[in-house]
Amino acid sequence: DIQMTQSPSSVSASVGDRVTITCRASQGISSWLAWYQQKPGKAPKLLIYVASTLQSGVPSRFSGSGSGTDFTLTISSLQPEDFATYFCQQTNSFPITFGQGTRLEIK
Amino acid sequence: QVQLVESGGGVVQPGRSLRLSCAASRFTFSSYAMHWVRQAPGKGLEWVAVISYDGSDKYYLDSVKGRFTISRDNSKNTLYLQMNSLRLEDTAVYYCASSNNWNDVFDYWGQGTLVTVSS
Repeated sequence: DIQMTQSPSSVSASVGDRVTITCRASQGISSWLAWYQQKPGKAPKLLIYVASTLQSGVPSRFSGSGSGTDFTLTISSLQPEDFATYFCQQTNSFPITFGQGTRLEIK
Repeated sequence: QVQLVESGGGVVQPGRSLRLSCAASRFTFSSYAMHWVRQAPGKGLEWVAVISYDGSDKYYLDSVKGRFTISRDNSKNTLYLQMNSLRLEDTAVYYCASSNNWNDVFDYWGQGTLVTVSS
């Protein structure tokens, strides 16, 4: 199975800050990497797929990069609605696996 | 607006069975692969199973293989998860989710249904 490791596990930031979350795969997954946002009590929401393609309707302050084993999600200027938990996901091979999540909290 | 609505969750004793349903509306259900994903309380996301658009292919997480069965009825726009021999560690919110292909990202999700396995 491919293990996905996110860092940090949690981060505190302020509105307007730039935040970067990283995700590392235990083996190469090409660009088969997606990012999801989850708010408490809600289902996850797809933000980015194939490492860097923004899902329709997602604000342009979100961006993704990387390939192979190392990936990043960047939020260029945090907005109040961005405080949530973020998960990476690999779809290169079964079983599909997720990172453990990064909780983004208000400082 | 695509809608996926799960039902069938509840409290069940270890070793017993439960069947979850996911009713789809406002999209062409029969054209999409469908997944079950679970999330234990306060934990991360865990993919459970996938079924191809026509039901001909299925994959499972190793820890549920032989105990859980994913199926679909395209005439009813409904996805199912039959869960047998439930264990304490199966306690989670179970989400259904759709994808364009069976190894693609999950673009639509239901709101989830809670399964609690407890004696």
